[in-house]
Amino acid sequence: DSGVTQTPKHLITATGQRVTLRCSPRSGDLSVYWYQQSLDQGLQFLIQYYNGEERAKGNILERFSAQQFPDLHSELNLSSLELGDSALYFCASSRLDRNTEAFFGQGTRLTVV
Amino acid sequence: GENVEQHPSTLSVQEGDSAVIKCTYSDSASNYFPWYKQELGKRPQLIIDIRSNVGEKKDQRIAVTLNKTAKHFSLHITETQPEDSAVYFCAASLRSTASKLTFGTGTRLQVTL
Repeated sequence: DSGVTQTPKHLITATGQRVTLRCSPRSGDLSVYWYQQSLDQGLQFLIQYYNGEERAKGNILERFSAQQFPDLHSELNLSSLELGDSALYFCASSRLDRNTEAFFGQGTRLTVV
Repeated sequence: GENVEQHPSTLSVQEGDSAVIKCTYSDSASNYFPWYKQELGKRPQLIIDIRSNVGEKKDQRIAVTLNKTAKHFSLHITETQPEDSAVYFCAASLRSTASKLTFGTGTRLQVTL
């Protein structure tokens, strides 16, 4: 167990809908990262938050947004869902922003039907 | 942006043999190179990482080497065991951290008895 908790584990929803994925980082970790893993795109970095502020952005669609709350948990919001958004969404956390390894949560498997 | 190529895509070895997975990266400014192991349906787990100020790092049966001039790094697993069977991902980052990690496409390692 990495100590990073993601909920829900599985999510099935219809096209056009909106969902929220939640991540609780390891105790004491200030940085949260979101990654998407799909069969055709592999593991792709979406976005990073550090101590409540957006720190880095990757290949995140405009339909997606995220935030990190004062208690350091993070939420990834996916809207206007398309079939192609079906993937495993991983959250990872690390102690700091630099010179520190990241630990992944178990992921949320999103299926859009 | 950064591009990471990983070879081979599949690798089958007999128990006790060694396994080597190779990755090349495109951006000479990359300075952090972690390796993750992912079992089917589970989270990526960090197994070893190396930063650009060292050429080699070892942890029991696992070692990673880095050649900055050639922009490639390799994972070496000695005395392989059936529990080493998994998909292994290399990654590279510009920020010496897990932020904006660019992942390779993965190597499926199978250790046969």
